[in-house]
Amino acid sequence: GEDVEQSLFLSVREGDSSVINCTYTDSSSTYLYWYKQEPGAGLQLLTYIFSNMDMKQDQRLTVLLNKKDKHLSLRIADTQTGDSAIYFCAESRGQGNLIFGKGTKLSVKP
Amino acid sequence: SAVISQKPSRDICQRGTSLTIQCQVDSQVTMMFWYRQQPGQSLTLIATANQGSEATYESGFVIDKFPISRPNLTFSTLTVSNMSPEDSSIYLCSVDPGLNNEQFFGPGTRLTVL
Repeated sequence: GEDVEQSLFLSVREGDSSVINCTYTDSSSTYLYWYKQEPGAGLQLLTYIFSNMDMKQDQRLTVLLNKKDKHLSLRIADTQTGDSAIYFCAESRGQGNLIFGKGTKLSVKP
Repeated sequence: SAVISQKPSRDICQRGTSLTIQCQVDSQVTMMFWYRQQPGQSLTLIATANQGSEATYESGFVIDKFPISRPNLTFSTLTVSNMSPEDSSIYLCSVDPGLNNEQFFGPGTRLTVL
């Protein structure tokens, strides 16, 4: 199976919360990342979490990490149309080798 | 954060030719990397561009096909050699400035091989 798995699509209404889930396989991963890719653009680093943490909050973004289940989630509060993008989860294998999921396409309906 | 630029932003090339992609960073960084994003797929690390020595390639990628240069701490090139349609991808440069374990990506080069 894939090293990092994400559901491919998520659709929410503007103003609702979005929760994007990710599972990974390498329990030795030290950092886990969330990136955002808008159409035709590069990857924007949104946030990351160290493996000894279970939660990190940054404005509208909340990252939850369940290390026992190797499950990572990204919650976006008060989702806006500008949040429509593909969101990639990635785990660090060290020395710059990030293992990416296939990305979750978030669609925000007005 | 680091500001990364890539040239060209996109190109359409003929089979059998080669293309060199440039990556420029606005500050000196130790770690620079090249990734590939095939259509509809996630990103895959091609190699680590080492300053002053040969690049370190990941499994499935070889120097003859993807030669890399790293002449200094702010610049790197990736060449895609003897291209085939299977090389059609987005190629992204990435850097780790060494602070806070953040890794930043350039805007990518969208390559189409006919």
